[in-house]
Amino acid sequence: IAGITQAPTSQILAAGRRMTLRCTQDMRHNAMYWYRQDLGLGLRLIHYSNTAGTTGKGEVPDGYSVSRANTDDFPLTLASAVPSQTSVYFCASSEGPPGSYGYTFGSGTRLTVV
Amino acid sequence: AQRVTQPEKLLSVFKGAPVELKCNYSYSGSPELFWYVQYSRQRLQLLLRHISRESIKGFTADLNKGETSFHLKKPFAQEEDSAMYYCAPPFSGGYNKLIFGAGTRLAVHP
Repeated sequence: IAGITQAPTSQILAAGRRMTLRCTQDMRHNAMYWYRQDLGLGLRLIHYSNTAGTTGKGEVPDGYSVSRANTDDFPLTLASAVPSQTSVYFCASSEGPPGSYGYTFGSGTRLTVV
Repeated sequence: AQRVTQPEKLLSVFKGAPVELKCNYSYSGSPELFWYVQYSRQRLQLLLRHISRESIKGFTADLNKGETSFHLKKPFAQEEDSAMYYCAPPFSGGYNKLIFGAGTRLAVHP
């Protein structure tokens, strides 16, 4: 593993189903983030975690949950998927305050809810 | 509320033409600003950051505090510059997370 790995790469999901998007990093970054990317809206922050054991809500947290049991993993769960959650999801991490260091991004998960 | 505005959804130019991708922000402090680039169906990559004052792939960006702008410029566009470009300043009140503009798609035609 080098950097951030996201899985799956893409997924078609039936509405109402539960789904967990995986994100793993090997850089020992404290802070991790989940964004969704939608045409015309750019990237919007869903949830974030400044360090293992803590999480926070971003701009669009409804319908999503996260956990941060350790430094490396930051899974995003859709408890009951709806079509409006069709999007490309990016996980990111930062070695320090992102205002100073910026982000490293994963390659994304393309999710289609039907 | 913190805002980032990229007014152009699409910028279409010919190879060799100058390029300016606009970014305006609302922020009361002294922002660190970033530009990210996303080539077709790839992950976002950091293109450049204001504080380093680097020129990456021929791109530069000047912070204009008076106009609260951080426009991305390149004197001669190349076809390989075709991509989505996102401007990102940090949240006000702390450097905990980045917010992004809606992005500008740059299309460079031969």
